[in-house]
Amino acid sequence: AQSVTQLGSHVSVSEGALVLLRCNYSSSVPPYLFWYVQYPNQGLQLLLKYTSAATLVKGINGFEAEFKKSETSFHLTKPSAHMSDAAEYFCAVSDPGGSNYKLTFGKGTLLTVNP
Amino acid sequence: DAEITQSPRHKITETGRQVTLACHQTWNHNNMFWYRQDLGHGLRLIHYSYGVQDTNKGEVSDGYSVSRSNTEDLPLTLESAASSQTSVYFCASSETGTGSKTQYFGPGTRLLVL
Repeated sequence: AQSVTQLGSHVSVSEGALVLLRCNYSSSVPPYLFWYVQYPNQGLQLLLKYTSAATLVKGINGFEAEFKKSETSFHLTKPSAHMSDAAEYFCAVSDPGGSNYKLTFGKGTLLTVNP
Repeated sequence: DAEITQSPRHKITETGRQVTLACHQTWNHNNMFWYRQDLGHGLRLIHYSYGVQDTNKGEVSDGYSVSRSNTEDLPLTLESAASSQTSVYFCASSETGTGSKTQYFGPGTRLLVL
């Protein structure tokens, strides 16, 4: 069974600093990988996804993530944090084959941005 | 624009009552999912459906049921509400086929069981 581990349930950065949110997956084959963002009292919104086309994936709001098969990682980064980035971020994994459309989510990382 | 709506957005009920949460999507997606979100647990899958008349149990399905009579709707029923079912519930939908399996989420329903 696939699983996702997000290291750090809470990350705090200063405005303008680098944002790094970690995600490691466990899967027998390279899966599809997703990052979602959840702002307070809202649903989840897709930030970016990896579907084997390119290992460096660019998403919305200046975020990007790099798929590293050797490290089974898909960490999310943003060069310069903005106050509006404060939210909870979820990494998710999906089986690329067959007809399994389910996503397995990590427990989430709450990002705080300090002025 | 296509969207997913959930109703009600907030609900307070009593232990033992039957509760139904509605989910309606206009994406024309075959796949629909129900999750619950609790602090420290992330999102956990309750039930899912890959088409009309198809329903499947997720990892936390006890005490919940769904039915799929059309493409647009997947209502979630709590047969006899328990305090442990106090949570935020999200509905999502996605396309069928190879490639991307992006799920699109509704705004959530916050349920309090007293």
